[in-house]
Amino acid sequence: QVQLVQSGVEVKKPGASVKVSCKASGYTFINYGISWVRQAPGQGLEWMGWISGYNGNTYYAQKLQGRVTMTTDTSTSTAYMELRSLRSDDTAVYYCARGSSGELDYWGQGTLVTVSS
Amino acid sequence: SYVLTQPPSVSVAPGKTARITCGGNNIGGKSVHWYQQKPGQAPVLVIYYDSDRPSGIPERFSGSNSGNTATLTISRVEAGDEADYYCQVWDNSNDHLVVFGGGTKLTVL
Repeated sequence: QVQLVQSGVEVKKPGASVKVSCKASGYTFINYGISWVRQAPGQGLEWMGWISGYNGNTYYAQKLQGRVTMTTDTSTSTAYMELRSLRSDDTAVYYCARGSSGELDYWGQGTLVTVSS
Repeated sequence: SYVLTQPPSVSVAPGKTARITCGGNNIGGKSVHWYQQKPGQAPVLVIYYDSDRPSGIPERFSGSNSGNTATLTISRVEAGDEADYYCQVWDNSNDHLVVFGGGTKLTVL
């Protein structure tokens, strides 16, 4: 069955970087893209960007351009999301989700990233 | 960028029908997907491409989309349906490929 398993809780200081991983299994990784979605405490879902599992092409939300980098390692079927220059308002649960041009049909379990001095 | 508007909350008695709307400019021309999110859990896809149900989702969940409004309908509501619901479209015409509505909290009375 399709599974997306994310890395664990992160606590970072303002100005630091965080890199979250998302290991996929149960499907052919290169046939789908991965979106990253975050959810601040008590808030809704915010799309951060998308990466192709096939060729690594990326598309980032404009507000995060310059601070976020998404990559993949097809040898391990793993997607990564790195966010730099962290601020307190980056505190959120970060999700990876499978999808290419429509629905996000499978989601990781989420990774809590807390940014605090 | 494209904006999806949902009511913040909807309340319904058990056994009744809940309707959650998602408004957007000519949303009927796009494909709408719906997610259910319970506290502390990741979102789960409940409707895709306006009205299709993934395997494992009860037939009580249905969707429609026309004009400027898409609707998620939950028939014979159960206590376990209490959750946040989000609509979503894929829109490559602006800076967000994926757009979410603000979410609707469904309360079962």
